[in-house]
Amino acid sequence: AQSVAQPEDQVNVAEGNPLTVKCTYSVSGNPYLFWYVQYPNRGLQFLLKYITGDNLVKGSYGFEAEFNKSQTSFHLKKPSALVSDSALYFCAVSPAGGYQKVTFGTGTKLQVIP
Amino acid sequence: GAVVSQHPSWVICKSGTSVKIECRSLDFQATTMFWYRQFPKQSLMLMATSNEGSKATYEQGVEKDKFLINHASLTLSTLTVTSAHPEDSSFYICSARDADGASYEQYFGPGTRLTVT
Repeated sequence: AQSVAQPEDQVNVAEGNPLTVKCTYSVSGNPYLFWYVQYPNRGLQFLLKYITGDNLVKGSYGFEAEFNKSQTSFHLKKPSALVSDSALYFCAVSPAGGYQKVTFGTGTKLQVIP
Repeated sequence: GAVVSQHPSWVICKSGTSVKIECRSLDFQATTMFWYRQFPKQSLMLMATSNEGSKATYEQGVEKDKFLINHASLTLSTLTVTSAHPEDSSFYICSARDADGASYEQYFGPGTRLTVT
């Protein structure tokens, strides 16, 4: 069975500092990996995805993530955090090859401190 | 593009009544839609996969007779919570995949907050 681990319930970072939100996954075969962001009482917004190709993926709002196959990780990063980045972030995985079930992590709350 | 709407955004109902939640893809066709349930401070739990023109596929532990799903068209799926009870109170979120696109991400609706009193 596939799974996603987001080891940190909350990450606090000062505005202007780089941020990292961690994600590791387990899946049979190659993965499709996703990051989504959720603001309070809202649905999820797509940030970025890794399907194939370059391990470094760039997404919306200046976020990027690096696929590391050996470490089965897909950490979300941003060089300079904004207060408006404060939200709940979900990592998700599905097996590669077509439309298959996506499994979400438990989410990490990012708090950017002014 | 790729906008998904949900209606209503919030609803309060009495125990024993039924509630219908609509999920619409506004600018694309979605052969597959997904229904999730999210408890406070928890992840999304996939309830069922809704396929246009066929029966929904429910996840283990989800009562199909309680959570009725209908995917009547390529742009509309509905979730009906029948005989709702307070324990059904939750945040329900739908998502959709673009039938024509090559992308694999899901497009999420804004969610529906259900409170059963």
